[in-house]
Amino acid sequence: GAGVSQSPSNKVTEKGKDVELRCDPISGHTALYWYRQSLGQGLEFLIYFQGNSAPDKSGLPSDRFSAERTGGSVSTLTIQRTQQEDSAVYLCASCQGARETQYFGPGTRLLVL
Amino acid sequence: AQKVTQAQTEISVVEKEDVTLDCVYETRDTTYYLFWYKQPPSGELVFLIRRNSFDEQNEISGRYSWNFQKSTSSFNFTITASQVVDSAVYFCALRTNFGNEKLTFGTGTRLTIIP
Repeated sequence: GAGVSQSPSNKVTEKGKDVELRCDPISGHTALYWYRQSLGQGLEFLIYFQGNSAPDKSGLPSDRFSAERTGGSVSTLTIQRTQQEDSAVYLCASCQGARETQYFGPGTRLLVL
Repeated sequence: AQKVTQAQTEISVVEKEDVTLDCVYETRDTTYYLFWYKQPPSGELVFLIRRNSFDEQNEISGRYSWNFQKSTSSFNFTITASQVVDSAVYFCALRTNFGNEKLTFGTGTRLTIIP
């Protein structure tokens, strides 16, 4: 079956602009995670959605970052007023339940100039 | 707090050699899961294995094998008869059954197989 998909694959933006990153999880997966992979910080958790529960935003680095998940499926990660330190690969993962294996998408490579 | 340490930043071996990637973890939880993921140059994290804390049996899958030892908090990964396609960054990760159950990753080991 189809895996996790993310779009765009690459995004180049100017400092100060807003960006939206999209994640389509595997069909039927109720849990969705966003992670960020950067040279200095490695792979770090950003936010977690489980079903209709309120998201766990404990990993978001600043209030410029937000995410939503519509209809329990597609998720959008928004970064407002981007900064150069936001440059990273943003990875999305989904799993059938909170305690199941997380499967990752190909990521979105964000470059902020 | 959880922590995963992959002390080997980079490893290079000649094709057909065996190679072991080390992973040491820290957690206060008694119930947890350990994972290995492969990240090839394409960038996608590919799931390899999941192990729960109550199952210390070693596992073999083809050329891959995993050695889980709770006594030393280690979950090492061995590739036998390595191939060029094994070249990738390998991540060890830990997840507990509490809170948001996020994955805590090690810093990864870049494995290069020299033909």
